[in-house]
Amino acid sequence: QQQVKQSPQSLIVQKGGIPIINCAYENTAFDYFPWYQQFPGKGPALLIAIRPDVSEKKEGRFTISFNKSAKQFSLHIMDSQPGDSATYFCAASILRNTPLVFGKGTRLSVIA
Amino acid sequence: GAVVSQHPSRVICKSGTSVKIECRSLDFQATTMFWYRQFPKQSLMLMATSNEGSKATYEQGVEKDKFLINHASLTLSTLTVTSAHPEDSSFYICSATLAGVPFFGQGTRLTVV
Repeated sequence: QQQVKQSPQSLIVQKGGIPIINCAYENTAFDYFPWYQQFPGKGPALLIAIRPDVSEKKEGRFTISFNKSAKQFSLHIMDSQPGDSATYFCAASILRNTPLVFGKGTRLSVIA
Repeated sequence: GAVVSQHPSRVICKSGTSVKIECRSLDFQATTMFWYRQFPKQSLMLMATSNEGSKATYEQGVEKDKFLINHASLTLSTLTVTSAHPEDSSFYICSATLAGVPFFGQGTRLTVV
């Protein structure tokens, strides 16, 4: 049973657009919610992460919105660029130093 | 700079042979490391948890005799794929946590021919 559901599977936006990727979880014990960016042939790179005591976090062009009651969180990419074209994964974990549970990923294409 | 280093980045081996993949935490000690596997266009799936000085914990469906994990020091975990078969071809990625933040290695693309 997948514990973190991610949508959409793929997304195409124009340069400058704001792609939004959504994730939903079931396990209320999760307390760490990161987003990773992965380019082909590379390991995932941490973009931004949030803990459940905060409803929004912004780092540069990346924003996480977190809705604890709905058990949902989303990634917004402002002013998207072709270089943002990659696969994005949401994830969740319980406590520190426990393995991450990943969503299935969203393949983002930003076209000029 | 990199926090977790993985080596090699690519390896091609013949069916029936064994391949060792190394995962190092750089400038920090990691008592626990995680090994994930990622098939093309799929997500990362946890294979096992590597514990320094004790046996690894494997996820359901992962053969512990096939995927040998050794975490002999606080900065190094190794994954050995024994008697590799073409279906073992995949992208293997390790992770270690620093200050509560999981970091990933660059990944190892294993191709078994």
